[in-house]
Amino acid sequence: SAVISQKPSRDICQRGTSLTIQCQVDSQVTMMFWYRQQPGQSLTLIATANQGSEATYESGFVIDKFPISRPNLTFSTLTVSNMSPEDSSIYLCSARAANEQFFGPGTRLTVL
Amino acid sequence: AQSVAQPEDQVNVAEGNPLTVKCTYSVSGNPYLFWYVQYPNRGLQFLLKYITGDNLVKGSYGFEAEFNKSQTSFHLKKPSALVSDSALYFCAVGGNTGKLIFGQGTTLQVKP
Repeated sequence: SAVISQKPSRDICQRGTSLTIQCQVDSQVTMMFWYRQQPGQSLTLIATANQGSEATYESGFVIDKFPISRPNLTFSTLTVSNMSPEDSSIYLCSARAANEQFFGPGTRLTVL
Repeated sequence: AQSVAQPEDQVNVAEGNPLTVKCTYSVSGNPYLFWYVQYPNRGLQFLLKYITGDNLVKGSYGFEAEFNKSQTSFHLKKPSALVSDSALYFCAVGGNTGKLIFGQGTTLQVKP
């Protein structure tokens, strides 16, 4: 199994600013992902965080808005750039290990 | 393209009664199917998965799910519901890529 931690757990930010969310996995994993859960909605995949190369973004998400880093097999960051109130969501980090998909506790972001 | 549907926004059941939360999927090839539960202000918790093998999958907290290929369904079941089972349940479909597509979620309300 994999235990995933995220920082910060929550934040309130002003529009136009950026926030970087950190994700740490307690073991090396090949695949890491970032999801968004808008209020009252399901989870939507933002991107696959690739170790040592650029992230692979899903339709509707772009690198300029959601830059992602993955410097090694246990750590990744997601930045939400130039935030607007529509970015208010829970952002979840996920990792795949042994055919299971584990999720972090999420970062609850509120943009004013 | 892969997709998953949870036809019920909410399921209400009395404590001690059996519960079923429905999920249907559409994939090309063999599906990887998952159930997750989300409690208020908490992260996503893995319940069970189907990748191959027995159609009846047993998971955490007494939950089980039955994979039905002909009906393309993966309904979540529990023989006797508890009030503490009240939460938001997500069905998800994935594959070798590790990416998950989530259903819209079903709120389970168990009343004493």
